[in-house]
Amino acid sequence: QVQLVQSEAELKKPGASVRISCKTSGYNFKDNALHWVRQAPGQRLEWLGWVNAGDGDTSYSYKFRARVTISGDTPTTTAYMELRRLTSEDTAVYFCARGPRIPFFGSYHFDYWGQGTLITVSS
Amino acid sequence: DIQLTQSPSSLSASVGDRVTIACRASESVTNELNWYQQKGGEAPKLLIVDATTLKTGVPPRFSGSGSGTEFSLTISSLHPEDFATYFCQHGYSMPWTFGHGTKVEIK
Repeated sequence: QVQLVQSEAELKKPGASVRISCKTSGYNFKDNALHWVRQAPGQRLEWLGWVNAGDGDTSYSYKFRARVTISGDTPTTTAYMELRRLTSEDTAVYFCARGPRIPFFGSYHFDYWGQGTLITVSS
Repeated sequence: DIQLTQSPSSLSASVGDRVTIACRASESVTNELNWYQQKGGEAPKLLIVDATTLKTGVPPRFSGSGSGTEFSLTISSLHPEDFATYFCQHGYSMPWTFGHGTKVEIK
């Protein structure tokens, strides 16, 4: 069965960077895109960006474009998300989520999700 | 960015009740609207794609309707395991955005 297993919670100081991982299994890694979506306390889910696992192509929400890098490693079937210049507003649970390979024609959706990784930014 | 507004923000209902949640988009997303269920701090679970298509394995008491800017999710008869938060998400264009959620609580 499809599984996405994320790395453990992180505590970071303002201004630092964080890199979290999403280990996938149960499907052909190259057949899909992997996304990162975050959920800050009391806020709605917010999409950060994606990587097409098959060709490494990426795209980011313009809100995060200057601070985020998303990548995929085919041999380990793992996706990564690095977020730089952290502030307290980045405190949130970060989810990886699988979606269809892009470009995709139809209602783009996220069919499997990781369990979430809490990133806390505090001095 | 396309904004999604859900209503109500929360509701209280009993097992067996029929429940409807609305999602309004700030501009037309045709039928490219999806629904998710989230329990506590768990990962969201995809329920409905393309406004009306149930994902495999989702019970038929869940249904979706709508197009353009007005959508709804209906649970025909609430089961105990349905008490959760429900989100809409449009799949029309990047950036994909989500509604703020509707929490379904036990009355």
